[in-house]
Amino acid sequence: DADVTQTPRNRITKTGKRIMLECSQTKGHDRMYWYRQDPGLGLQLIYYSFDVKDINKGEISDGYSVSRQAQAKFSLSLESAIPNQTALYFCATSDSNTGELFFGEGSRLTVL
Amino acid sequence: GENVEQHPSTLSVQEGDSAVIKCTYSDSASNYFPWYKQELGKGPQLIIDIRSNVGEKKDQRIAVTLNKTAKHFSLHITETQPEDSAVYFCACGGGADGLTFGKGTHLIIQP
Repeated sequence: DADVTQTPRNRITKTGKRIMLECSQTKGHDRMYWYRQDPGLGLQLIYYSFDVKDINKGEISDGYSVSRQAQAKFSLSLESAIPNQTALYFCATSDSNTGELFFGEGSRLTVL
Repeated sequence: GENVEQHPSTLSVQEGDSAVIKCTYSDSASNYFPWYKQELGKGPQLIIDIRSNVGEKKDQRIAVTLNKTAKHFSLHITETQPEDSAVYFCACGGGADGLTFGKGTHLIIQP
């Protein structure tokens, strides 16, 4: 089983719908992240959390919200999806000692 | 905030030749410089990293060099093989808000 699991892996939705992407991890890391990947733009940080009570905005947080339900779970929500939120979304955890990021396999979201 | 520039965006080399990907960064406080490899349909995975107290690190066919004065670091892959074909990302950070990534390099190994 993967250490960082994202669901769903693929989702097609319509403009205005609410969408939740879920992430769970078995690595025991306190730090969790949501990134967005667009072709040619690399990985952009949406939100990050250093523990259950800590939530921080990244560079592109507008239009997104997150919830850290437990140490192992970090979900990303789009309250009212729009087409330019069509992208590949990655959840990641990090080892606070080394800084290494461990990524899930991604959730591909298409907003029509 | 940190700004990371990565070049080239696409690199095509013959199998067996070397490949070099370069990154520059802006924040002199950055002290951790990892490289990630992303294969098709998968999430990025760490392949090598270097910290600011070291100028070079090598792991079999891959190596990373760091020039803190010039604020640039590079990934070197020697004796390239078909399985090296992927997208490679540089990143830097070391502060409280995680890593900033470059835009990626699509490495193509020609048979």
